[in-house]
Amino acid sequence: SYVVTQPPSVSVAPGQTARITCGANKIGSRSVHWYHQKPGQAPVLVVYDDRARPSGIPERFSGSNSGNTATLIITRVEAGDEADYYCQVWDTTGDQYVFGTGTKVTVL
Amino acid sequence: EVQLVESGGGLVQPGGSLRLSCAASGFTFSGFAMNWIRQAPGKGLEWVSSISGSAAYTYYADLVKGRFTISRDNSRNTVYLQMNSLRPEDTAVYYCARGLEEAATNPQGSWGQGTLVTVSS
Repeated sequence: SYVVTQPPSVSVAPGQTARITCGANKIGSRSVHWYHQKPGQAPVLVVYDDRARPSGIPERFSGSNSGNTATLIITRVEAGDEADYYCQVWDTTGDQYVFGTGTKVTVL
Repeated sequence: EVQLVESGGGLVQPGGSLRLSCAASGFTFSGFAMNWIRQAPGKGLEWVSSISGSAAYTYYADLVKGRFTISRDNSRNTVYLQMNSLRPEDTAVYYCARGLEEAATNPQGSWGQGTLVTVSS
């Protein structure tokens, strides 16, 4: 099965830039989607197809994807960005979605 | 406004069955794929299954293949998840989520609040 890994945690000061990585074999050849989930709430899609933003998501959220690593980039981090972040990839071999292991973002 | 309301969760014994429902409103239901995603207590997200808008295509995670069946009734704006041969490791909050478009491989742009399934004797 396709294995997708994320760092368990990322810490960032308010106003700075957070980078959350998602690693997998040749992930750059696939579309990556990103979700955040705040405690007690349902997940929210924040970036899809590597870098596109759904309506209502601030421009501070962007993404990149190349080689074996995809990255979610959050600029001008705010306290409200504190959440768990998950990447997601469609595994074309197994015809199924795979979520990354999740990254807890802490705003210092 | 897109609304997704899950129901049907509860306590079931190992080996038992349960059917989850998700009632949708606020959009043209047949035009969008629907998904089930679960989250075990204190754990990460796990995609379970998806179905295209026309119901022509269905996909399943390896862990549930052969035990779970996804279906939809476009006349009732409802998607279902029939879960058989349940195991303790199936215990989780089950979320219903709408895809961005009709294809079942689309990412999930809108989510319900989830329904808890507990498999225990």
